[in-house]
Amino acid sequence: SYELTQPPSVSVSPGQTARITCSGDAFPKQYAYWYQVKPGQAPVVVIYRDTERPSGIPERFSGSSSGTIVTLTISGVQAEDEADYYCQSADSSSTVVFGGGTKLSVL
Amino acid sequence: QVQLVQSGAEVRKPGASVKVSCKASGYTFTGYYIHWVRHAPGQGLEWLGWINPNRGDTNYAQKFQGRVTMTRDTSISTAYMELNRLTSDDTAVYYCTSQAASFDPWGQGTLVTVSS
Repeated sequence: SYELTQPPSVSVSPGQTARITCSGDAFPKQYAYWYQVKPGQAPVVVIYRDTERPSGIPERFSGSSSGTIVTLTISGVQAEDEADYYCQSADSSSTVVFGGGTKLSVL
Repeated sequence: QVQLVQSGAEVRKPGASVKVSCKASGYTFTGYYIHWVRHAPGQGLEWLGWINPNRGDTNYAQKFQGRVTMTRDTSISTAYMELNRLTSDDTAVYYCTSQAASFDPWGQGTLVTVSS
């Protein structure tokens, strides 16, 4: 199996741009997905297939990919965006892996 | 609407087993894989495996092979995840989620507490 590596934490002030990276050998062969997890709540997908944004997710959330690194960008961060964010992918045998998670703090 | 509803919280002693259910509604149950993911206190998300509700085939994470069993009952659109030989490290919220374009929706989660 392989691993996805994320920074443990990212801190930004309200209105600034937050960028959370995720590196892994699976990229770019496999798609990346991003999930937002708030305390006591089930995960919510915010980006799928590298760059797609589900309906209902604010436009300030975007995804990008470059080589073996994928990035979740939150433009104009709001206090409600404070949460843990996990990247996720899969290998060729459909084994799923999550990154270790990044705690986004909005100062 | 599309939703997954899981069974309630469970408490088990070390060495015991637990079986969590996940009932789907609002979509064709056999059309999308069901995955199981857990979230232990202070830890990250951890994938346990998936089941294809149509054929019943499964794929388990290597860490849980031999200890986890995923099944389904298509007549009631319900998937099950059974975990055996529980230890305190298995204390976590267990989620089922349906895989379409992504993992969406998710069940509400089932807290499994392992304590003597």
